[in-house]
Amino acid sequence: EAGVAQSPRYKIIEKRQSVAFWCNPISGHATLYWYQQILGQGPKLLIQFQNNGVVDDSQLPKDRFSAERLKGVDSTLKIQPAKLEDSAVYLCASSFLATGETQYFGPGTRLLVL
Amino acid sequence: KNEVEQSPQNLTAQEGEFITINCSYSVGISALHWLQQHPGGGIVSLFMLSSGKKKHGRLIATINIQEKHSSLHITASHPRDSAVYICAPLAALIFGKGTTLSVSS
Repeated sequence: EAGVAQSPRYKIIEKRQSVAFWCNPISGHATLYWYQQILGQGPKLLIQFQNNGVVDDSQLPKDRFSAERLKGVDSTLKIQPAKLEDSAVYLCASSFLATGETQYFGPGTRLLVL
Repeated sequence: KNEVEQSPQNLTAQEGEFITINCSYSVGISALHWLQQHPGGGIVSLFMLSSGKKKHGRLIATINIQEKHSSLHITASHPRDSAVYICAPLAALIFGKGTTLSVSS
């Protein structure tokens, strides 16, 4: 069974530029999560999708971050414009059904904002 | 106060030692996840448990839902166990900061 795929693996941009990350969850998984993990900290949930609907985006900085999962499968997370403090690893995870089930994590996208 | 507290934050051990990492949380949950993250690598799920104890190879995880506490044990630790171990009360989608384990030979 293929795991959660993410791309790119690494991205370096200058502040105020835009960046987008892509995630392909495990086939059949209805729930998809985006996390931000700053160096030395645990992951922080940014947004949770159930199919193509948003379940929780309370910690998503909506002035600059956006995410979509239009067809209920792949998802993209965008930052526009990026700030220095956005430097982090962005992790995508998926689970079969809802919160509380085992989550499977992708390899993450490491973002460096200069 | 953090809703998930892990201890210790950093742990250094010699190969073969018995390792214990503790996790305490304040949120009410029905299950908890232990995750392993290697430097530069992704996150791998080790255990999801809702009661009692689970064992996988040299890894043992225990949880007491009433006391809101879980422990991860590594028996006969090995340098390849060096990683960050993260506790995550799943329903709350909150993660601990992780315990950085370094095992030397």
